[in-house]
Amino acid sequence: AQKVTQAQTEISVVEKEDVTLDCVYETRDTTYYLFWYKQPPSGELVFLIRRNSFDEQNEISGRYSWNFQKSTSSFNFTITASQVVDSAVYFCALNQYNTDKLIFGTGTRLQVFP
Amino acid sequence: GAVVSQHPSRVICKSGTSVKIECRSLDFQATTMFWYRQFPKQSLMLMATSNEGSKATYEQGVEKDKFLINHASLTLSTLTVTSAHPEDSSFYICSARDHRLAGINEQFFGPGTRLTVL
Repeated sequence: AQKVTQAQTEISVVEKEDVTLDCVYETRDTTYYLFWYKQPPSGELVFLIRRNSFDEQNEISGRYSWNFQKSTSSFNFTITASQVVDSAVYFCALNQYNTDKLIFGTGTRLQVFP
Repeated sequence: GAVVSQHPSRVICKSGTSVKIECRSLDFQATTMFWYRQFPKQSLMLMATSNEGSKATYEQGVEKDKFLINHASLTLSTLTVTSAHPEDSSFYICSARDHRLAGINEQFFGPGTRLTVL
């Protein structure tokens, strides 16, 4: 069975702090995709990153970085020098290659205080 | 590119009425669209997968007679909540796959529709 676990329900930080959001997944498949989405208070899901299971390179995009570790089935997301605008719910999701279904984690609510 | 719209963004209705929510892919053709439901402070749960020109595939526990899905064209899917009740109040989100990106498995999400049933 496929499953995504985001153990951190809520995280609060002060602006300029670094914060890491954890994501652990379960799948029996060798080919799959992992995603991170941001959901601000408006509700619209914002796509952040897609990673396939054969690409374990870490990725950096501005203040965002992702650490994919197949050995521990984790795909963690770090925001460096957080800003108030980063306040949102962040979802990690898993997609098996030959299906269309996205399995979402329960989300982590990040609050960045000024 | 890859923009998905939903209409309406918010709807309030009386218990027992039916509500139709539209999901459109604005700049691409979507052979597959998905409908999700999100209760407050919870995750997105897939309700059904909608393929153009064929019947939708519903997830376990989702009543197909209550949540009618029609995917009549490559750019439009509709979700009709029939005889809505307060427990149907939720945030409904659609997504669409761009069939040109075969194998990429990326879904583009609409902005969501907040349904409140009084």
